[in-house]
Amino acid sequence: AIQMTQSPSSLSASVGDRVTITCRASQGIGSDLNWYQQKPGKAPKLLIYEISSLQRGVPSRFSASGSETEFILTIHGLQPEDFATYYCLQGYTYPYTFGQGTKLEIK
Amino acid sequence: EVQLVDSGGALVQPGGSLRLSCVASGFPFSSYWMTWVRQAPGKGLEWVANIKPDGSEKFYVDSVKGRFTISRDNAKNSLFLEMNNLRADDTAVYYCARDTAVVGVESWGQGTLVTVSS
Repeated sequence: AIQMTQSPSSLSASVGDRVTITCRASQGIGSDLNWYQQKPGKAPKLLIYEISSLQRGVPSRFSASGSETEFILTIHGLQPEDFATYYCLQGYTYPYTFGQGTKLEIK
Repeated sequence: EVQLVDSGGALVQPGGSLRLSCVASGFPFSSYWMTWVRQAPGKGLEWVANIKPDGSEKFYVDSVKGRFTISRDNAKNSLFLEMNNLRADDTAVYYCARDTAVVGVESWGQGTLVTVSS
């Protein structure tokens, strides 16, 4: 199975900061990379699909980039509602695999 | 509006069985791949299985192969996960989700808790 390694596993930041989260795949996954946000007790929410496409309704402060094995999620100008856990997911080959998650906390 | 409602979670003993259900509305269910994802308490997300719109293809994570079966009833807009020989490490919130060709795993149910314990 393809391993997805996220870094960092946790991150402290302040409102207004810019943060980046990285996801590395153990092999090339083309463009089949999504990013999700999850808040405690809630289902995940799709933010980004196909590496860099913003899901409808997601604020433009979220952006993403990357290719093949290295992918980056960036949040520009953190808002209070952005403090959550973020996951990447590869849908290139079965079994689909998630990164282990990055918990974004308020500094 | 896409809506997915998960149900069927319960406390079950090791070795036991359980059937989870997910009822879909707001979209043509029979046209979409559907997926189960789980999350153990305090842990990350794990993709479990998915199924083709007509039910003819199914894929599973290795840890559940031979124990779990994904199925669907398109006439009832319903997705199922039959879980047998349950183990303590199957304890998790189970989410159903819609899986599209372009966007991938997108809309999610609210989740249903399965606890495997004696």
